[in-house]
Amino acid sequence: KNQVEQSPQSLIILEGKNCTLQCNYTVSPFSNLRWYKQDTGRGPVSLTIMTFSENTKSNGRYTATLDADTKQSSLHITASQLSDSASYICVVSPLKAAGNKLTFGGGTRVLVKP
Amino acid sequence: GAVVSQHPSWVICKSGTSVKIECRSLDFQATTMFWYRQFPKQSLMLMATSNEGSKATYEQGVEKDKFLINHASLTLSTLTVTSAHPEDSSFYICSARVGGRNHNEQFFGPGTRLTVL
Repeated sequence: KNQVEQSPQSLIILEGKNCTLQCNYTVSPFSNLRWYKQDTGRGPVSLTIMTFSENTKSNGRYTATLDADTKQSSLHITASQLSDSASYICVVSPLKAAGNKLTFGGGTRVLVKP
Repeated sequence: GAVVSQHPSWVICKSGTSVKIECRSLDFQATTMFWYRQFPKQSLMLMATSNEGSKATYEQGVEKDKFLINHASLTLSTLTVTSAHPEDSSFYICSARVGGRNHNEQFFGPGTRLTVL
């Protein structure tokens, strides 16, 4: 069964500090892996998307890494801001998923405090 | 990036009534759209896949007669929650797939908060 596990479930960090979120997956083979940011009461917004051949992708203060051998990905947030408070969801797209279904992680809820 | 809108953004209704939620792709055509439901502090759960011009494909456990999906055009899919009950209260999110069958880039709408009294 395809699974995506994220850790930690939640974390609190001080404004200006860095943090790293983890994503382990069993989906194989896969087309791409994405990280989304979801603000409370809003839909997910794409931060990064990586194919299996890529091992890093940046979007401003967000940097995602991918290790296809160990089936792990991470999202690093640099110099956190209050607006970074949100849920971050790791999503894997199986290579030949019936109906193009995505596999979602449970998300990590990040709270940035001043 | 591609923009997906939903309407309404929130709705409150009485138990037993029906509610229609619209999902539109604003600057691209989407032959396939997806409907998700999200409960508090949980991730998105796929309810159904909406295919333009054909019947929707529902996930196991999702009642097709309760959650009616119509994908009448390449830019619009609607989800109608029929005879809504308090347990249907949730955050409903749609997404639209960009590109062809082998391309799986999905863009999400902003979501619709449904509260059934």
